[in-house]
Amino acid sequence: KNEVEQSPQNLTAQEGEFITINCSYSVGISALHWLQQHPGGGIVSLFMLSSGKKKHGRLIATINIQEKHSSLHITASHPRDSAVYICAVAGGADGLTFGKGTHLIIQP
Amino acid sequence: DAGVIQSPRHEVTEMGQEVTLRCKPISGHNSLFWYRQTMMRGLELLIYFNNNVPIDDSGMPEDRFSAKMPNASFSTLKIQPSEPRDSAVYFCASSLGWNTGELFFGEGSRLTVL
Repeated sequence: KNEVEQSPQNLTAQEGEFITINCSYSVGISALHWLQQHPGGGIVSLFMLSSGKKKHGRLIATINIQEKHSSLHITASHPRDSAVYICAVAGGADGLTFGKGTHLIIQP
Repeated sequence: DAGVIQSPRHEVTEMGQEVTLRCKPISGHNSLFWYRQTMMRGLELLIYFNNNVPIDDSGMPEDRFSAKMPNASFSTLKIQPSEPRDSAVYFCASSLGWNTGELFFGEGSRLTVL
């Protein structure tokens, strides 16, 4: 079974700062998902990656398959980015395995 | 498309009662997932279906939990009898591919068992 580790668990930053959230996994995967969950509870898929890099607005996600590592970056962070960011990996017959999430707070 | 639709959004019930949660996936998606989220354990996969067939139910806690997908547009997760430790938010998600498709989540069903 894949082990998914996210870091940091909690992150508080000032508006405008560059944010990096990391995700490592133990077993080769077919895809990696970055999810966002706001305090209201809904979960939104931000990215699905199997290689390289993807960008959407101020969000950038990268993955290094050899190192079994992915990063989610937020440029020019804003208070509305405050949420829980969850990494999930897909591979084998396990469906999805989730990290425990990173609680991000962006202060004005 | 309206997205993944779950019902009920909230349910409060008493221990021992049967609970049925419902999910309508996005039309055309062939994979459907049931997840549970608690403060202690985070998000956990309970079961997933591919083309209406259950692929892996190893995440289902025990025999009190059962899930069905009678057709491509509907799935249920049933808990009978319910217990207080089943209190959680239950999410349904669907995708085009069970391990390669982007996930689309419903808004969740918040269950409280008293």
